[in-house]
Amino acid sequence: GAGVSQSPSNKVTEKGKDVELRCDPISGHTALYWYRQSLGQGLEFLIYFQGNSAPDKSGLPSDRFSAERTGGSVSTLTIQRTQQEDSAVYLCASSVSGRDSTEQFFGPGTRLTVL
Amino acid sequence: AQSVTQLGSHVSVSEGALVLLRCNYSSSVPPYLFWYVQYPNQGLQLLLKYTSAATLVKGINGFEAEFKKSETSFHLTKPSAHMSDAAEYFCAVSDWYGNNRLAFGKGNQVVVIP
Repeated sequence: GAGVSQSPSNKVTEKGKDVELRCDPISGHTALYWYRQSLGQGLEFLIYFQGNSAPDKSGLPSDRFSAERTGGSVSTLTIQRTQQEDSAVYLCASSVSGRDSTEQFFGPGTRLTVL
Repeated sequence: AQSVTQLGSHVSVSEGALVLLRCNYSSSVPPYLFWYVQYPNQGLQLLLKYTSAATLVKGINGFEAEFKKSETSFHLTKPSAHMSDAAEYFCAVSDWYGNNRLAFGKGNQVVVIP
């Protein structure tokens, strides 16, 4: 079956532009996570969705970052007024539930480069 | 918050030799621990997880890890390295916010020398 997919795979943008990153989770997975992987900070949690709600968005680094999920499926992470420090690989993961210890399945990531 | 520590960002191992990747955790409650592997330009794949059912956990591709509470460790081992084991390995702990968000270690880049 299909795994988690993300688009685009690579995105190059200019400082100050807005970008949208998309995640298609595994069908039927109610929990969805966004993580960021950067050289300096390693892998960091950004936001968690259960269905369409985001009960935990404590990892978002600033108010330039936002995310939504619609239909309990596709999620979009939006970064406004991008900065060079936003350059990273953005990973999406989904799992059957948000219960602790449940396996998370990761997508291949979107590599964002801000010039 | 829970956390994990992985030492030595790069690990070189000869083909056929033991692979040992160290992970120590910090947790105020019994942890759920994971090892993930990441191949170039791919997402993370679960190798194995500890959920308190058994202290010795066997995973995919011949890897296993042993949970040692007294040492707060969850080291990953494989008896004989294969060239296909070259990848980056991450230890992670479920961060106990009740939503299974993961806190990752810095990772180990494993290089297998023929």
